[in-house]
Formats: sequence, structure tokens, C-alpha cells
Amino acid sequence: GQNIDQPTEMTATEGAIVQINCTYQTSGFNGLFWYQQHAGEAPTFLSYNVLDGLEEKGRFSSFLSRSKGYSYLLLKELQMKDSASYLCAVTPETRAGTALIFGKGTTLSVSS
Amino acid sequence: ETGVTQTPRHLVMGMTNKKSLKCEQHLGHNAMYWYKQSAKKPLELMFVYSLEERVENNSVPSRFSPECPNSSHLFLHLHTLQPEDSALYLCASSQDNTEAFFGQGTRLTVV
Repeated sequence: GQNIDQPTEMTATEGAIVQINCTYQTSGFNGLFWYQQHAGEAPTFLSYNVLDGLEEKGRFSSFLSRSKGYSYLLLKELQMKDSASYLCAVTPETRAGTALIFGKGTTLSVSS
Repeated sequence: ETGVTQTPRHLVMGMTNKKSLKCEQHLGHNAMYWYKQSAKKPLELMFVYSLEERVENNSVPSRFSPECPNSSHLFLHLHTLQPEDSALYLCASSQDNTEAFFGQGTRLTVV
């Protein structure tokens, strides 16, 4: 089966650092994505990991450990606008048109 | 501007109505997807089209009928829906299995 787990909700304050974890068990693995989704809007792409290690992109970083089936998204210098749902998704195969498998998403609330 | 456009943004329909959702992508991608997003549930894959051929139908009820006339357009035809079908319907496209780009979605309410 395919299963992706992430916490349902997290809270943090402006300027802080928050880490959102994601664990996955899928039939195959060809990469892990993180998306951000503000209420009422489309998910937008944040990061992609296919090899073990850390990918840094400005205030956001994403880490992957394939042997542990584990990833995290790290958000630094939090801003109010970072309040959103963060979706972890895995692509299980290499063939074209392989759809992403999504977790339920983590709702992050940033307060002042 | 996401490159993927969905219409309408909002739709209210009765259980006996027939309606269609439209999606258009301007990114030159070769795969398009329909997802359903309900409250407190993960994004659920409904259909995948790769090079205009349906490659996945994720056990979706026949009251949902997709159509992909070309690589840029995707439709979801709806008929005799149930109230539990009320959700946000998201279209996405990708090039092979790289990151998917999503449209803004259609908020569907079945009354």
C-alpha cells in the first residue's frame, strides 16, 4: 500500500524556525515533493528531493533519507504569510504520467 | 499566473444536473491530472492522462467522466452527483514525472 504521514497541525511564532516531518511507505520511490497551499488556493511547488541530503532554497530547506523513508521541510525566519498547509508528496515510479501520492498536509499557523 | 487555468472557479449543481469542469495548461506538459480535495483528507488522485491517453483511473465512480481532447485541455464531465461529491477539484499538469503545477481549482457544491 501507499502511506504518507505528517502531523496535522503545527504552530510557531514569527522569526522562529519550524520543522515539518514526513514519513512514507510506498511501493516505489522516485522523488519527494513539498508543496505549500494557502486556504482557497492551488498548491504551489516548494522543493524536490530524490537523493539523500539537504536541499536549501532561501528560507526553506528540505531533507531526505531514503533508507528511513523520511523527509522534513525546514522553514526559517518565519513570517505571517507562511501560515498555510504544507503537503508532502511522493512519486512512486519513473514512467511519465505517474501521479503524486499526497499526505494529508500539515496546517502551520504562525503568530506574532 | 500558474500556467494551469481551471473554469469555473465555483459551481453549485443539483443532483440531477450535468456540468463540465475545464482545465487548460499553457506549459507544454505531457501529462494532466484530476485530483479531488476534501476537508481533512489528502489530495485524492482521480484520473491521469499521459500523452492524451488515460493511464490511470483510480476507482472513480462513473458519474465522473474525464475527457482529454489534446495535450493542453482536460475536462471532467459530471452527472447525477451526490452531496458527498462536494469538494475542491484540482487539475494539474507535469512534464513526465517532474513537479506538478496546479490550477486554482473548482469549488463544487452539490445540493
